[in-house]
Parts: sequence; C-alpha cells; structure tokens
Amino acid sequence: QKEVEQDPGPLSVPEGAIVSLNCTYSNSAFQYFMWYRQYSRKGPELLMYTYSSGNKEDGRFTAQVDKSSKYISLFIRDSQPSDSATYLCAMWGDTGRRALTFGSGTRLQVQP
Amino acid sequence: EAQVTQNPRYLITVTGKKLTVTCSQNMNHEYMSWYRQDPGLGLRQIYYSMNVEVTDKGDVPEGYKVSRKEKRNFPLILESPSPNQTSLYFCASSLSGTYYEQYFGPGTRLTVT
Repeated sequence: QKEVEQDPGPLSVPEGAIVSLNCTYSNSAFQYFMWYRQYSRKGPELLMYTYSSGNKEDGRFTAQVDKSSKYISLFIRDSQPSDSATYLCAMWGDTGRRALTFGSGTRLQVQP
Repeated sequence: EAQVTQNPRYLITVTGKKLTVTCSQNMNHEYMSWYRQDPGLGLRQIYYSMNVEVTDKGDVPEGYKVSRKEKRNFPLILESPSPNQTSLYFCASSLSGTYYEQYFGPGTRLTVT
C-alpha cells in the first residue's frame, strides 16, 4: 500500500467551477503538507503548504489538512483554463527519510 | 532569476552507455535531490545531498550515482543505463530546515533503448 494515495483523474470541470482535490495518507509522522502544480513538460512548482492541521488560503486556492482523518484537500474557486495541470500532493515529516513523499497526481482539465 | 537548471532536457541513449545529467541551482541551497517520475508511481527519490560532500540514498538508488563537489551542482550519473531507467528525471533543491519547500528543475526525459 502506498503511503500517500491520490485519485489520478482525469478530472474535467467547466470554467468557474469549484474544484476539490484530495489525498489520503497513512504515516502519522507527516507534519508538512504541500500541493504542487505541474504543467505539461514542466517541473512541479509549489502552490502552498500547511503545517499540521488546519486551513490555509491563498487567493483562489484553499488547502485543508485533517490529521485525525489523515486526509488533505485543495480547493480551487472560480477555476480557470490556466489551472489545467496535474496537481501533486506531497508530505514531509520526521520519518527518517529526507524526501518529500508524493501522491501520484491528479490531472485537472478546466474547459472554457 | 532564482532557478534550478538541468541538462540535457531530452536524451535518447543505448543500454550500457554511461551518461551524466547535470543539475545546477543559483539559490545557495544546501539540500539537493534527484527524483524520477513514472506513470502511476509519482515522484520517487533517487539520491539526495544535505550539503557539499554529503550524499545519501533515497528510495530507488540502484543503478545511479551522484556527487556533490560544489554547493550549486549535483550531477546524476548512470554508469550502465538499462531500459528500466527510461523515465522523467527531476532535480530539486531547498534551504536546510525548509525541506518541504523544494524548487524543481524543468526535467530530463531519458529514453534507454
């Protein structure tokens, strides 16, 4: 079983929709929870990160972490065609590994 | 501009022919790492370096070597590439203490025939 599970999609929504992306994880040692965005033929870029449980908002993006359920979410409001990309959740913690642990990514397509 | 650069961006080679993928960052980051990305498997760490002359294995190190002689450079060496190393490779870097905030290069697509 993977440490981090993420639905690969693809997820197709109309422009302006609210998008919900999710990951579940199994290792309770994770403390930092990140969302990376990866456009086709590009490297991942960090969108936002959250430390421990709670919410964090940045413009149209909101990240939520529920450590009790081992569940994290990214919400995108008023989605735009330029949001079309693969979204990767990633986690970091005191696991003994000096590496981000990634989900496999969800491909999002926002239709104009 | 703060960035991580990788070269080459695309490479097709044959089994057994040694190759090096270069990675360089201009942000004075202590931590550098190599990942490979495969469909359905996500990004998996190959090797990482906490600082100059300090390197360690990640989750999938077999068939790879690295070195860290300078802070800005972290080359990935495949001494005898095999077809199962066909993949998309990313270099990443961060400041020590903020490992969760990693900056990624543009990727190197490697095909081994």
